[in-house]
Amino acid sequence: GESVGLHLPTLSVQEGDNSIINCAYSNSASDYFIWYKQESGKGPQFIIDIRSNMDKRQGQRVTVLLNKTVKHLSLQIAATQPGDSAVYFCAERTSGSNYKLTFGKGTLLTVNP
Amino acid sequence: EPEVTQTPSHQVTQMGQEVILRCVPISNHLYFYWYRQILGQKVEFLVSFYNNEISEKSEIFDDQFSVERPDGSNFTLKIRSTKLEDSAMYFCASSRTGGSPLHFGNGTRLTVT
Repeated sequence: GESVGLHLPTLSVQEGDNSIINCAYSNSASDYFIWYKQESGKGPQFIIDIRSNMDKRQGQRVTVLLNKTVKHLSLQIAATQPGDSAVYFCAERTSGSNYKLTFGKGTLLTVNP
Repeated sequence: EPEVTQTPSHQVTQMGQEVILRCVPISNHLYFYWYRQILGQKVEFLVSFYNNEISEKSEIFDDQFSVERPDGSNFTLKIRSTKLEDSAMYFCASSRTGGSPLHFGNGTRLTVT
């Protein structure tokens, strides 16, 4: 069945370090993945997405890696800043459904100055 | 940058009452969604809406829920007879196409007493 889960519920890093947030998914039919950032009192904010025909995509300070063999997704944040502190969610969309995203539980990232 | 706006930010209602949650999606977006997040839990899909009809809905979206696009700018979620378990953050989202990233509003916190 569909499930998206996160290995680490909390992650604490020092400012300037790189952060890696992981996500496991179980539905091999998922073809599109998104990372969202949610700050307290706000809605999920789009960070980066990746389609299943890719294994890596880079944005500004962020990189998403997709390993379809082991159904694993990661978000790498370079030179983490205090403003990066938030809950990070991965979400997947199943092939055949254009509309429904299934969200993971979330990882709380805390950046220590 | 255009954004999805939701009103009110917080709604308190008594059990059994009807509530309408309002959203203004991004103006050139064609697909609209409602998600909810019960405190401490995952963001859950409720419904998607395109071309003035529901495209997909979850098992949560029962007969007590309805959506409407009453004019060219608003998108509403109505809960006919609220239950205590309807207490949650309700997020509206929109996307330009069915396959493009969803952009979320900051949510309406619904408290049912």
